[in-house]
Amino acid sequence: SQQGEEDPQALSIQEGENATMNCSYKTSINNLQWYRQNSGRGLVHLILIRSNEREKHSGRLRVTLDTSKKSSSLLITASRAADTASYFCATDYNDYKLSFGAGTTVTVRA
Amino acid sequence: NAGVTQTPKFQVLKTGQSMTLQCAQDMNHEYMSWYRQDPGMGLRLIHYSVGAGITDQGEVPNGYNVSRSTTEDFPLRLLSAAPSQTSVYFCASSPRFGEQFFGPGTRLTVL
Repeated sequence: SQQGEEDPQALSIQEGENATMNCSYKTSINNLQWYRQNSGRGLVHLILIRSNEREKHSGRLRVTLDTSKKSSSLLITASRAADTASYFCATDYNDYKLSFGAGTTVTVRA
Repeated sequence: NAGVTQTPKFQVLKTGQSMTLQCAQDMNHEYMSWYRQDPGMGLRLIHYSVGAGITDQGEVPNGYNVSRSTTEDFPLRLLSAAPSQTSVYFCASSPRFGEQFFGPGTRLTVL
């Protein structure tokens, strides 16, 4: 399987703190995407970073990609209660095929 | 735009029964796919389609059939339901090489 793996599996932080989660993958990719899933809902796309990019920002999100280490990180700054969700990385390794990791569950405490 | 819609939201089947999960998108996306999500395992790709009339297998295709007669619709058929197919099923669509848009999911229980 091409599955990426997120680390840690679960994360609990105080509101206002930053949350960082990592994703490692196995083979060369076209791009890497991060998704959020609120409990019982579908996945929502957060950010896509291409293999020739090293860093990308979107609002309070910062994603880095290190293709030499086959790893990516997602940073959420100044977390809010609404950021409580599961976060998944997905690697696009073969045109349309996305391979998802098992996710990181983030809990933001008020 | 409704985006990606899935029906039904919930379904209970008995072992051996067949059924079709419906998926439709109104964004004129080329690519559509079906995933299943099991606890602690992330999403696994079942089948995908890169356009009308073209389908291919994903990571876990056994026990499922798909067809793509139109750009908008991509139904998933369970041929003979088994308890191992108890899962949450997500349909997604995307333009080429882009983000995927997910439907709300179908929660399936096979007794």
